[in-house]
Amino acid sequence: EAGVAQSPRYKIIEKRQSVAFWCNPISGHATLYWYQQILGQGPKLLIQFQNNGVVDDSQLPKDRFSAERLKGVDSTLKIQPAKLEDSAVYLCASSFQAYEQYFGPGTRLTVT
Amino acid sequence: GDSVTQMEGPVTLSEEAFLTINCTYTATGYPSLFWYVQYPGEGLQLLLKATKADDKGSNKGFEATYRKETTSFHLEKGSVQVSDSAVYFCALSDSTGFQKLVFGTGTRLLVSP
Repeated sequence: EAGVAQSPRYKIIEKRQSVAFWCNPISGHATLYWYQQILGQGPKLLIQFQNNGVVDDSQLPKDRFSAERLKGVDSTLKIQPAKLEDSAVYLCASSFQAYEQYFGPGTRLTVT
Repeated sequence: GDSVTQMEGPVTLSEEAFLTINCTYTATGYPSLFWYVQYPGEGLQLLLKATKADDKGSNKGFEATYRKETTSFHLEKGSVQVSDSAVYFCALSDSTGFQKLVFGTGTRLLVSP
């Protein structure tokens, strides 16, 4: 069974530029999560989807971050414009049963 | 809000030593508790979990017991190997039904031969 796929794996941009990350969850997983992991910290949930709908985006900085999950499968997370403090690893996870989240390898973003 | 506190690392051990990584939590209700592991260059993997008080999660020689009275979920292993070198994250999932995970800051384990 294929795992959670993410791309790109690495991205370097200048501040005020925009960037997008892509996630393909495990087939059949209805729930998809985006986490932000800043160096030296644990992952922090940004947004959670159940199929197409958003169930939690309370910690998403909505003035610059946006996310969508078209057709309840793939998802994209966008940052526009990026700030220096957005440098982090962005993790995508998916789950089918309660409490079993499977994580992708992450996208490491560096904002200069 | 809910939170998880882990001991700071790095934890440096020799092969075959006993490992303990402390984890305590603050939560309303009855959370589920997890340990995730992140090996170098890889994504987070679920190591073990416990869903109610006094449950013991175990996997790959690692164990952790859900202690409601001390709000703790300490990770232990009797004899570590070099291949156990990784970052370990304690996490909780609240009981509201949306399975949101709240993570600790992670503890890096370095095992030398």
